[in-house]
Amino acid sequence: EAGVTQSPTHLIKTRGQQATLRCSPISGHTSVYWYQQALGLGLQFLLWYDEGEERNRGNFPPRFSGRQFPNYSSELNVNALELEDSALYLCASSLVRGHQETQYFGPGTRLLVL
Amino acid sequence: TQLLEQSPQFLSIQEGENLTVYCNSSSVFSSLQWYRQEPGEGPVLLVTVVTGGEVKKLKRLTFQFGDARKDSSLHITAAQPGDTGLYLCAGVGAAGNKLTFGGGTRVLVKP
Repeated sequence: EAGVTQSPTHLIKTRGQQATLRCSPISGHTSVYWYQQALGLGLQFLLWYDEGEERNRGNFPPRFSGRQFPNYSSELNVNALELEDSALYLCASSLVRGHQETQYFGPGTRLLVL
Repeated sequence: TQLLEQSPQFLSIQEGENLTVYCNSSSVFSSLQWYRQEPGEGPVLLVTVVTGGEVKKLKRLTFQFGDARKDSSLHITAAQPGDTGLYLCAGVGAAGNKLTFGGGTRVLVKP
């Protein structure tokens, strides 16, 4: 069974541009979570989607947004990129709604903003 | 805002030694999870502890949840180079709708 996949693996953008990151959950999983991990640090919760709807978001500005498609895959969009947005962006999926359930992580997309 | 603090931030030991990583908070969590993350990969769940005072063992790893469900520890016995990685604790809030991660402890086990 395929795990969580993310694309691209690496992304280089310049300040002010927009970035789009993609995530495909494990087959059958309906919840998708996005996290930001700055270099060598812990994960900061960004967004949680379930059944196509945004269920919760972390303390990030509105230029971080996303959506979940009918096939449960998800996109994270970051507008007006800033240097401090450089980080590893991790996507996770779970079988059942809610953070209590085991989350399975993808390998991440490393975003570098120059 | 619920915060989780991990200590130490970095730990370097020789193969065969023991180590303990701590995860502390002033908030109560309904459950706490421990993950290990290796370079270039996403975190992988090691264990979930739910009950205050609970102790779980996973081979040479022992996880403990504090009685008040505010803190947890991870103890590794006779560490091996394969234990090298970033260890993350994550707490689930009482409402069950938010996962809060600690800052991580980077463990290096030298052969």
